[in-house]
Parts: sequence; C-alpha cells; structure tokens
Amino acid sequence: DAGVTQSPTHLIKTRGQQVTLRCSPKSGHDTVSWYQQALGQGPQFIFQYYEEEERQRGNFPDRFSGHQYPNYSSELNVNALLLGDSALYLCASSSFRGAGDTQYFGPGTRLTVL
Amino acid sequence: GIQVEQSPPDLILQEGANSTLRCNFSDSVNNLQWFHQNPWGQLINLFYIPSGTKQNGRLSATTVATERYSLLYISSSQTTDSGVYFCAASPYNTDKLIFGTGTRLQVFP
Repeated sequence: DAGVTQSPTHLIKTRGQQVTLRCSPKSGHDTVSWYQQALGQGPQFIFQYYEEEERQRGNFPDRFSGHQYPNYSSELNVNALLLGDSALYLCASSSFRGAGDTQYFGPGTRLTVL
Repeated sequence: GIQVEQSPPDLILQEGANSTLRCNFSDSVNNLQWFHQNPWGQLINLFYIPSGTKQNGRLSATTVATERYSLLYISSSQTTDSGVYFCAASPYNTDKLIFGTGTRLQVFP
C-alpha cells in the first residue's frame, strides 16, 4: 500500500520565480491538504482540496494556489516567490467524512528561495 | 481560532528513562493527532486520539476532551525516539490541523 508521495524532494528557486509542487495521496484517500513548515516551527495549513475544489483555506496570500486532478493527486503553485517562502512543504491525505479524519503526511518538498 | 500549546519545549533524557509530553488546546476539537518528525522532516503518525486512551508498544496517549488536554507517554526511551513531537488538532467542522510548536526530544545513550 503506497503512502503519500511528493515530488520533487528538494528545489532551489530565485525570488520572483514560480514553483509547482506535486502530491499523490495514499491509496483510498480522496482529500489532499497542504502545509508550510518554516524552520523551527510547526506546520501551517495552506488549503485543502476535495472533489477538485478548494474546500478550506488558511491565512496565505493568493500567490499560493492549487489544483486537484480526477485521480485525487494535487499540485501546489506559488507565484512571485519571496525569500520567506523558503520552507518544507508537506502534503497530507485523508478520506473525506466531513471533518475529523486521520491525516497522513508525505515526506515533504524542501524549497529554498535565493 | 483554536490555540494549541505544547510543553515542555525541550526534553533531554538518558536511554531507558520515561517521559510525558503535554498538549493543551483552547477549544473543542474533532481531531487530535500526535506526530513524530524525524530529522529528514517526515511526520510520522503516532496516534489519532480525539478522546480516550490508546497504546502502541512503548508509546501511549490520553486525551481528556472535556478538560482540553492530551498527554503522550514514552516509556523506556531509545535513541531512535529523538526528534520533534507535534500535537495537532482540528476545530469542529473543519479538517485543517492546527499544530503546536512541538517538543524537541533528545535521548542519549
């Protein structure tokens, strides 16, 4: 049973560029959430996708956008990168039951913005 | 919004010692999870425990939802237990996990 997978593992970009991160959920899961973890802090919720739509959003600017495909995989896009966007980006998957299901995390993508 | 606080922030133990990590949350929740983050950043699920008590080997957890706290017990700690332990909770009617600031555990031989 494959767990949550993310690609790429590491990424280096320069300020102003755009980046796309990818996530495949655990088998049997249909909901994908994205989190940003800055160094030394806990992960912060960015947004969640279910049925190819954004269901919930955290306190992140519109530069952060996403997409979910019919096979439940998801992308996180960040435009106009800032130095402060350097972080570990984590994807979590779950089964939609309205609320409160266990979330399983992928290994993350470490983004460095120079 | 809901606040999640963890204590202690840092814990240093010798192999074989026991420890208790605490998580306080400010409002009712429908999801409470404990994670262990390894040095490579992977968040490993330990427990899904919005209420009650669970045990898994040397680890156990208890959540008292009415008093808004959860405890993670680690017995006979090993060097491989080192890392950061996070508690995360979801407010009612949402799926987003709100994380605490973590407890950094170091276990020395």
